Amino acid sequence: KQEVTQIPAALSVPEGENLVLNCSFTDSAIYNLQWFRQDPGKGLTSLLLIQSSQREQTSGRLNASLDKSSGRSTLYIAASQPGDSATYLCAVKGVYGGSQGNLIFGKGTKLSVKP
Amino acid sequence: EAQVTQNPRYLITVTGKKLTVTCSQNMNHEYMSWYRQDPGLGLRQIYYSMNVEVTDKGDVPEGYKVSRKEKRNFPLILESPSPNQTSLYFCASTRTGLLQETQYFGPGTRLLVL
Repeated sequence: KQEVTQIPAALSVPEGENLVLNCSFTDSAIYNLQWFRQDPGKGLTSLLLIQSSQREQTSGRLNASLDKSSGRSTLYIAASQPGDSATYLCAVKGVYGGSQGNLIFGKGTKLSVKP
Repeated sequence: EAQVTQNPRYLITVTGKKLTVTCSQNMNHEYMSWYRQDPGLGLRQIYYSMNVEVTDKGDVPEGYKVSRKEKRNFPLILESPSPNQTSLYFCASTRTGLLQETQYFGPGTRLLVL
């Protein structure tokens, strides 16, 4: 059974720092991996999607990498801002369901960026 | 504006009193799903639907029912709620395509079962 782990559970950094959030998964047979952002009292917003055949995806100050063989993904946030404060969730989709498969979520990393 | 709406946003009820949480999307997506989010357990899928009249169980379906009579709506039904169903519920709608997909999540429904 797929398990997704995110470390650290919480992170506090001063504004302007570059930071890395980690995600690991136990079953490397994945269809894709996604990173989401969740703000308090709100739903999830999709940030980046990496297909199993890809190594990384970039969007603005965000860069997500995927090492399927080792079961790891990282989300790199450059020049962090207070507006980046949120909980970041990693989710993987297994190959067995294809594009319709179930998303398995990690418990998230709560990020706080101090001005 | 592309969106997923859920109602109600907050609900307090008592054990055994049937309730329905509605979910609607305006993007003509075929795939919709329900999740619950609990502290220490993260997000877990309850049910999903690949199209009208096609639904299937997720990881934690016990105590829940769904229906998909029309593409835009995917209500979650709790026939006899119990306190262990106190949780934050999210509906999601997914756009799928070749090598690309995007999940759109609703704002969440916070349910308290007394």
